[in-house]
Amino acid sequence: DAGVIQSPRHEVTEMGQEVTLRCKPISGHDYLFWYRQTMMRGLELLIYFNNNVPIDDSGMPEDRFSAKMPNASFSTLKIQPSEPRDSAVYFCASSFAGMTNEKLFFGSGTQLSVL
Amino acid sequence: AQKVTQAQTEISVVEKEDVTLDCVYETRDTTYYLFWYKQPPSGELVFLIRRNSFDEQNEISGRYSWNFQKSTSSFNFTITASQVVDSAVYFCALSEGSSSASKIIFGSGTRLSIRP
Repeated sequence: DAGVIQSPRHEVTEMGQEVTLRCKPISGHDYLFWYRQTMMRGLELLIYFNNNVPIDDSGMPEDRFSAKMPNASFSTLKIQPSEPRDSAVYFCASSFAGMTNEKLFFGSGTQLSVL
Repeated sequence: AQKVTQAQTEISVVEKEDVTLDCVYETRDTTYYLFWYKQPPSGELVFLIRRNSFDEQNEISGRYSWNFQKSTSSFNFTITASQVVDSAVYFCALSEGSSSASKIIFGSGTRLSIRP
């Protein structure tokens, strides 16, 4: 299995631009998580989905952030408009609730820099 | 509300020393799961261990061992005879409820540096 795939690996954009981060979870996994990592705030859970349905989006910082999961194999995290304080590493992770030794499988992350 | 505290921001030891990373958690649930993840300099997050709240047995895996104590709400991680390759940021995490695939909250991490 290819693991959780995130794209792009690096994104540099200017303040005010729209940014879309993409994630392909591991096939068969029914949970998908978006995390943001910064030096100041560590690893923050932004939102998670179960069977493509958003379960908890209380970690989404503000209305500029939105996430979708149109099907079991794809999710996006969109920031519009982007701001310098959104600069961070964004991780996507997936898991399968039915496994007896379940754990989060993380993607390699997207390093976002907003200038 | 669930919370994970890793009070040690950074630890630096000399190779071959033993080192313990502390983790204290808060939860109102009687069923919960605890995790440790490792983030090496390359940036990916690597799963190390998962424990459920009903299993307080300590676990040993090679040079790694974990001490789970419900009485003190702690889930500490010890590396014996540390090696330079152990240098990384280590995260403790907590998930409440009957499924460990539900909301997982991470501590702020402990940056471990092993000096040769």
